[in-house]
Amino acid sequence: GDSVTQMEGPVTLSEEAFLTINCTYTATGYPSLFWYVQYPGEGLQLLLKATKADDKGSNKGFEATYRKETTSFHLEKGSVQVSDSAVYFCALAGGTSYGKLTFGQGTILTVHP
Amino acid sequence: GAVVSQHPSRVICKSGTSVKIECRSLDFQATTMFWYRQFPKQSLMLMATSNEGSKATYEQGVEKDKFLINHASLTLSTLTVTSAHPEDSSFYICSAPSGRDSTDTQYFGPGTRLTVL
Repeated sequence: GDSVTQMEGPVTLSEEAFLTINCTYTATGYPSLFWYVQYPGEGLQLLLKATKADDKGSNKGFEATYRKETTSFHLEKGSVQVSDSAVYFCALAGGTSYGKLTFGQGTILTVHP
Repeated sequence: GAVVSQHPSRVICKSGTSVKIECRSLDFQATTMFWYRQFPKQSLMLMATSNEGSKATYEQGVEKDKFLINHASLTLSTLTVTSAHPEDSSFYICSAPSGRDSTDTQYFGPGTRLTVL
């Protein structure tokens, strides 16, 4: 079945540091890929998505590129802020499973001033 | 953006009792909603797909008689944990997609923390 693997956390960075959170997937067909973010005390929110190979999703300074050859969708940000502290989830939606998301285990990011 | 609410946000109950959790789409209609369970420091596990006007579709290993799902209207789905036991303690999250495409944005509720004593 489909699966998503994220790098283990937690990740602790200083403000303005570069962020990478690795995500790889296994899926049949051609899934769509997502990054969701969960701020403390809030529900999950879509951060960015990519629907086909070589697409780049971007939002709020975060970027991720859909790499079919390496089955990866790594999340990057050039300069993190304290307000980026949250839990980040990589997820995929299979082409034959309407709306159903398969999540990675989540990565806790803490950014210190 | 679209909002999904859950009620209650937190519930504590005694073993053997039943607990109902509501999921509402506040400003859009959702013919389909999803229920997830999240264990501490673990990922979200899809439990079932709630379908308005028809039976819910449960994922493998999820007891449908234990976790009753009713999609009463285009804006409301309920999850009832029947005869709850301590091992049912978890964080339950619902979501609703914004459209009919699998790439559409899913809107998530804030979650319900269930503690069974």
